[in-house]
Amino acid sequence: EDKVVQSPLSLVVHEGDTVTLNCSYEVTNFRSLLWYKQEKKAPTFLFMLTSSGIEKKSGRLSSILDKKELFSILNITATQTGDSAVYLCAVEAYTGNQFYFGTGTSLTVIP
Amino acid sequence: DSGVTQTPKHLITATGQRVTLRCSPRSGDLSVYWYQQSLDQGLQFLIQYYNGEERAKGNILERFSAQQFPDLHSELNLSSLELGDSALYFCASSRGQAVSYEQYFGPGTRLTVT
Repeated sequence: EDKVVQSPLSLVVHEGDTVTLNCSYEVTNFRSLLWYKQEKKAPTFLFMLTSSGIEKKSGRLSSILDKKELFSILNITATQTGDSAVYLCAVEAYTGNQFYFGTGTSLTVIP
Repeated sequence: DSGVTQTPKHLITATGQRVTLRCSPRSGDLSVYWYQQSLDQGLQFLIQYYNGEERAKGNILERFSAQQFPDLHSELNLSSLELGDSALYFCASSRGQAVSYEQYFGPGTRLTVT
């Protein structure tokens, strides 16, 4: 059964800390891995990764994919209270054009 | 504001009823996706339409159906509603066919089945 597992489930840090969120997957015919940030309502797109070892970066956020070990990490440096959100990882498969989400990691950044 | 609109914002209805959720994609986007998010199951992909045609099907129940109209807006129909259908339903849109294209999510419709 195809699945996406995120860890930790929940994380509380102080402003300025660096955090690493993990996403591992078992998906047949992997096509891409996507990260989203979900604050109060709708998810917003962060990164799409298709190739191993290439880091995607946007400001204080960065992500990398390891297709051999079947995982991705999302790093957030110098965290701010505005980073508090649920971070979702999703994997797209070629087979049936399916799209699988993890249950998310809830990040709380305390001032 | 993502540019994707969903109506209604909230919906409360009784078991056994039928409801229709509506989504208007961003201007120029041809793909529309529907998702269900409940507390116990997280975000689940239901179905994707591209330019009026069904392109991908996820965990969509037989009691649910969707369509995309020529003007590219989409409707998700939920029938014979059960308590377990209570959830936040998101619509997202993207430019192309492949799910990998950046998706823009609407604000969601919260459905409560009583």
